[in-house]
Amino acid sequence: DQQVKQNSPSLSVQEGRISILNCDYTNSMFDYFLWYKKYPAEGPTFLISISSIKDKNEDGRFTVFLNKSAKHLSLHIVPSQPGDSAVYFCAASGKGSARQLTFGSGTQLTVLP
Amino acid sequence: DTEVTQTPKHLVMGMTNKKSLKCEQHMGHRAMYWYKQKAKKPPELMFVYSYEKLSINESVPSRFSPECPNSSLLNLHLHALQPEDSALYLCASSQGQGARGNTIYFGEGSWLTVV
Repeated sequence: DQQVKQNSPSLSVQEGRISILNCDYTNSMFDYFLWYKKYPAEGPTFLISISSIKDKNEDGRFTVFLNKSAKHLSLHIVPSQPGDSAVYFCAASGKGSARQLTFGSGTQLTVLP
Repeated sequence: DTEVTQTPKHLVMGMTNKKSLKCEQHMGHRAMYWYKQKAKKPPELMFVYSYEKLSINESVPSRFSPECPNSSLLNLHLHALQPEDSALYLCASSQGQGARGNTIYFGEGSWLTVV
C-alpha cells in the first residue's frame, strides 16, 4: 500500500516556465513533508520541507504548497532551468513508524532549453 | 554544512568477498541511516542508528552488518552478497530520530556491483 504517491512518472517543461510536481498521501499521521532532488548516480539532495502547521513554504525558486484536507502537496519551480532536470522525490514523516521517511516513487523532470 | 561523505563511490565485489562501505558526517547529527536504492525506485530504509545504538533494522539479511564506531561514523559490512544486492547504497544523517521536522541529509552514495 503506497502511502505517498507521485502519479506522474515524468514531466517536461520549457525553460523559464513553471514546473509543478504533485504528491498525494493517505496517512493522516504524516505531519512533515519534504522534497528531494536526485541526479543519476548521486544521493538525493534535500530541497525544501513543510510542516503540517503551514500551507506554504518558499525558498528562492522553490515553493511547496500543502493542502491537508486533500492530503496533497505540490512543488513549484519558477522559473525552471535546464539544471533542474532530475528525479524529484516527495517524502513524508509522522508520529508513526518512528518518524522514518516514506518516499513517493519519484517524478522525472526534464526542463527543455 | 550539510555534508555526508561516503566511500568508496564505486565497489565491485565477488559473492565470496568481504568488503565495507564507510560513511562520515560532522554535523553533530545523532541519527544515522543506511538506505538502498535501485534504479528508478525510491530509497528503501535498511538500518537506523540513534545515539550510536541500532534502533531500526528493516528485516535486512544478515549478509549486511552495520556498525557505528562513534557518533560521526557509520559502516556497512558486506559478506557473501548476491548479484541482486547490486544497488546504490546511501548513508544519511539527521539531528535526531523521532523529532518533528527531522530533515534527513543523504550522502552521494556508494555504487555496489556484485559479480
